[in-house]
Amino acid sequence: AQSVTQLGSHVSVSEGALVLLRCNYSSSVPPYLFWYVQYPNQGLQLLLKYTTGATLVKGINGFEAEFKKSETSFHLTKPSAHMSDAAEYFCAVRSGGYQKVTFGTGTKLQVIP
Amino acid sequence: NAGVTQTPKFQVLKTGQSMTLQCAQDMNHEYMSWYRQDPGMGLRLIHYSVGAGITDQGEVPNGYNVSRSTTEDFPLRLLSAAPSQTSVYFCASTLGQGRTEAFFGQGTRLTVV
Repeated sequence: AQSVTQLGSHVSVSEGALVLLRCNYSSSVPPYLFWYVQYPNQGLQLLLKYTTGATLVKGINGFEAEFKKSETSFHLTKPSAHMSDAAEYFCAVRSGGYQKVTFGTGTKLQVIP
Repeated sequence: NAGVTQTPKFQVLKTGQSMTLQCAQDMNHEYMSWYRQDPGMGLRLIHYSVGAGITDQGEVPNGYNVSRSTTEDFPLRLLSAAPSQTSVYFCASTLGQGRTEAFFGQGTRLTVV
């Protein structure tokens, strides 16, 4: 079984401030982890993914995430928020070769000028 | 590349009507899936397919049918629409197992009145 918990359905940050979106997962086998972004009225697009190897993963638009096995976490960060980062962010997990992907409930990021 | 194409983008149905949401991908992906997105609930898996002729149920399959006669197409059928099926529907495709990410269509916004 696998599951994802995203803490905070809404997060507000000031432009230029640190962005931190939290994701914890549950998986019975080593997981593959993903962060997706959804802009209004659009589909989801991949920000970054962790499969194996380096635990700090860099993605598009200056985002990065760190896989911490001991904490079962995969938090998303960006050093300096931009207005264009306002969107909804989804964390997702797939357990090894298991085909199904489980998504978290999403976090809406608001960037305040 | 067109990627994943969903039609229609918007649809209004009356309770009891049937319809088919179309999904096509041109990336020769093996795995395709349908999700519904509802506020505060993230994306929930309706049905998925691991290849032509093979389909299986996700977590919320009731009221929906699928078939996969070709690698490219994965239509979702609503047999008798209900207001509870008002949602945004996303089709996704994935190259294969595990570490590869899903590619999403732009979504179909369905309202059942």
